[in-house]
Amino acid sequence: GAGVSQSPSNKVTEKGKDVELRCDPISGHTALYWYRQRLGQGLEFLIYFQGNSAPDKSGLPSDRFSAERTGESVSTLTIQRTQQEDSAVYLCASSFKPQLNTEAFFGQGTRLTVV
Amino acid sequence: GQSLEQPSEVTAVEGAIVQINCTYQTSGFYGLSWYQQHDGGAPTFLSYNALDGLEETGRFSSFLSRSDSYGYLLLQELQMKDSASYFCAVQRWDYKLSFGAGTTVTVRA
Repeated sequence: GAGVSQSPSNKVTEKGKDVELRCDPISGHTALYWYRQRLGQGLEFLIYFQGNSAPDKSGLPSDRFSAERTGESVSTLTIQRTQQEDSAVYLCASSFKPQLNTEAFFGQGTRLTVV
Repeated sequence: GQSLEQPSEVTAVEGAIVQINCTYQTSGFYGLSWYQQHDGGAPTFLSYNALDGLEETGRFSSFLSRSDSYGYLLLQELQMKDSASYFCAVQRWDYKLSFGAGTTVTVRA
């Protein structure tokens, strides 16, 4: 596709339910990043992938959070047993061979509201 | 881990020059990037420095001093449309990309 696509754009869920957020990176981009952004705050690193591998999972806030990437393409971020503090915008970004070009392209994000 | 520090807010008038400083601490530093984010929008890439010195792109310039673990973004000839949040980001040798808390720039007429 032309850019990074995230779905859904908005998600309202009840506390305790599981949610799955999807990211379609730009075709051919090897690196894929997930960030969380609370209102008026910075970008909190969650996890990133090189190909299908996640070298650094240290940013995941708890074991309720998990992510996977398949086919060096689509990635899903899953949040189990959602809590109100999970409410935020979840941003995905991808980069083509970051050792050559460090520009990361962001999707429009998924706004998650836990009620 | 990584840590980045940048001012939280800057206010300036149209036509002015603004400098946003960023200091960082990280192991395996590879490069420093800057991103712009308008309210409700996605961050967009502005510039990248891997080597010491100044990179100029139109009205925006970015500087890096690796020995001082310091960089800055210079916004010249400020326009109202430059009102946004600006983030510095460090890229590590393993391509992990970590962002600072952001600087909100408000441009007044």
